[in-house]
Amino acid sequence: DAKTTQPPSMDCAEGRAANLPCNHSTISGNEYVYWYRQIHSQGPQYIIHGLKNNETNEMASLIITEDRKSSTLILPHATLRDTAVYYCIVRVSTSGTYKYIFGTGTRLKVLA
Amino acid sequence: GAGVSQSPSNKVTEKGKDVELRCDPISGHTALYWYRQSLGQGLEFLIYFQGNSAPDKSGLPSDRFSAERTGGSVSTLTIQRTQQEDSAVYLCASSFQGSDTEAFFGQGTRLTVV
Repeated sequence: DAKTTQPPSMDCAEGRAANLPCNHSTISGNEYVYWYRQIHSQGPQYIIHGLKNNETNEMASLIITEDRKSSTLILPHATLRDTAVYYCIVRVSTSGTYKYIFGTGTRLKVLA
Repeated sequence: GAGVSQSPSNKVTEKGKDVELRCDPISGHTALYWYRQSLGQGLEFLIYFQGNSAPDKSGLPSDRFSAERTGGSVSTLTIQRTQQEDSAVYLCASSFQGSDTEAFFGQGTRLTVV
């Protein structure tokens, strides 16, 4: 089962920041938080990941709370092409094996 | 290659036939994953490979499903005696081994069982 919960949908105005929340209250100390997005009919696209510290790359920023029980993905200037389903994932580690368990994600709609 | 490659991109098969789906991971990636996505649903984990071995097959839905990986590279997912409920997009991903690595996905194979 997925270890994350996300709102099913969100809207954001084009050009504004999109802030996508994620709860992962049962995360273990060595488990990373990953974000992917899936645009219709395409394979999931990696966005960013982190453990404790906030992370930023050319696509987005990831803010993780100090207790690591929740995080927020920030798209600083959303465009219409950012319309997609966004998945927050805790990568599960079991006996040295790793897998990504996807939840239902947040369907982000960027409005013109 | 530049990314994860899957073939065929689309496959239509008759109920009861066997199908093979192929995944070519990114060169050097030792970890390989198969997922299934039914229409309008999220991704369902099927199997994980580390090198040629599959330490986690927990997601395979029945014994009609099997997968292998040879040479630590190409993987094949085989579905025997296909059923209509097997219709879905089958996605493959690969990554380096380790807890701090990202996986990259292919574009998937859309399987339709008629």
